[in-house]
Amino acid sequence: EVLLLESGGGLVQPGRSLRLSCATSGFTFTNFAISWVRQAPGKGLEWVSGISASGGSTHYADSVKGRFTISRDNSENTLYLQMDSLRAEDTAVYYCAKGLSFGSVIDYFDYWGQGTLVTVSS
Amino acid sequence: IVLTQSPVSVSVSPGETATLSCRASQSVSRNFAWYQQKPGRGLRLLIYGASTRATGVPDRFNGSGSETDFTLTISSLQPEDFAVYYCQQYSSWPPGITFGPGTKVEI
Repeated sequence: EVLLLESGGGLVQPGRSLRLSCATSGFTFTNFAISWVRQAPGKGLEWVSGISASGGSTHYADSVKGRFTISRDNSENTLYLQMDSLRAEDTAVYYCAKGLSFGSVIDYFDYWGQGTLVTVSS
Repeated sequence: IVLTQSPVSVSVSPGETATLSCRASQSVSRNFAWYQQKPGRGLRLLIYGASTRATGVPDRFNGSGSETDFTLTISSLQPEDFAVYYCQQYSSWPPGITFGPGTKVEI
């Protein structure tokens, strides 16, 4: 069974940092690109960032470029999102989502986690 | 690429058919997917490549369309089908990945 389990969310003040993790199992992690997608309360979905299977290629939405960093540890089957200089508008549930390709992060997603809530507020 | 979904919400009775639309602001070929979301849950992939059902998806879910106009048809609605449905395009970078705002299917 494919599982993706996000963690690391919580309440954080504007301007501070937070690191999210996504622990995976049930598939060969090293073979697939994987992304973060967020959903603000009561709103739609926004793709945030994606990373290729090897970790050699990363992409970011303009809204987070320069503030967020995606990475992966293929020995631990875990995806990360380092979020710096957080803003109120970053408040959302953050999902990790598995792609179907090795190299391309521009893809659809066949498995999603349950999400972790990040609240940016003073 | 902006995706526009219609209607915003639709009320249907179990056993009826719901037709959901999604329009892209420019051609995405058939790089198009549909997802289902229930409250407090992650998303479930229903359709990819505009018309291919994902593994385990019942055949009452049907996707069609190409370029800029796409449709998800849910036939013989079951109680478990009442949810929010999102469309997604995954054309080449740039611009990358965008989602539609969602359509709520309710009783």
